[in-house]
Amino acid sequence: DTGVSQDPRHKITKRGQNVTFRCDPISEHNRLYWYRQTLGQGPEFLTYFQNEAQLEKSRLLSDRFSAERPKGSFSTLEIQRTEQGDSAMYLCASSFASGTNEQFFGPGTRLTVL
Amino acid sequence: GQQLNQSPQSMFIQEGEDVSMNCTSSSIFNTWLWYKQDPGEGPVLLIALYKAGELTSNGRLTAQFGITRKDSFLNISASIPSDVGIYFCAGQWQGAQKLVFGQGTRLTINP
Repeated sequence: DTGVSQDPRHKITKRGQNVTFRCDPISEHNRLYWYRQTLGQGPEFLTYFQNEAQLEKSRLLSDRFSAERPKGSFSTLEIQRTEQGDSAMYLCASSFASGTNEQFFGPGTRLTVL
Repeated sequence: GQQLNQSPQSMFIQEGEDVSMNCTSSSIFNTWLWYKQDPGEGPVLLIALYKAGELTSNGRLTAQFGITRKDSFLNISASIPSDVGIYFCAGQWQGAQKLVFGQGTRLTINP
């Protein structure tokens, strides 16, 4: 499978705990995006990387959220001190920097904060 | 929050019927994309549009980039059971990388 992969697919945690999600983009893509999707809504942009550089962050990305892409390949999204409002599907997408910039999504990580 | 108005929010149709849905924005987009999402999965790209007035097909799906660059339309012909799901439009401003999504259209098909 050469698509975008995400791990884990599901995560249940207690309020106040830290969680970390991983995204592996399509191998030749140099742009990587994180989105968040709550029930009944479309995805909302959180942040994106071009290679290892984080070039844009949404104001949705509070100081409890941090994303990294240290080697320009896979990325991690960490949420510290989780709150019930963090419960959502976290989606990762990737694209080429040049050309049409079509974004291809992974299957998502469903986070439930109890 | 969402900046795209997608309609209808839901559709209940009979198998074999044609489907139309649309997306409108208060701002101009440089790119329009249409995705389909199944429960518990990520969105799958269906069609991408890059020029005002462009009409693009992908099998039974046809999408158009509105002349004003503030709207887009998706049509599905001769619907089949596997077309069930949620369809999202997404727009991208010129020079921006992030996508802005609509609220989705939930399609249900009665066999």
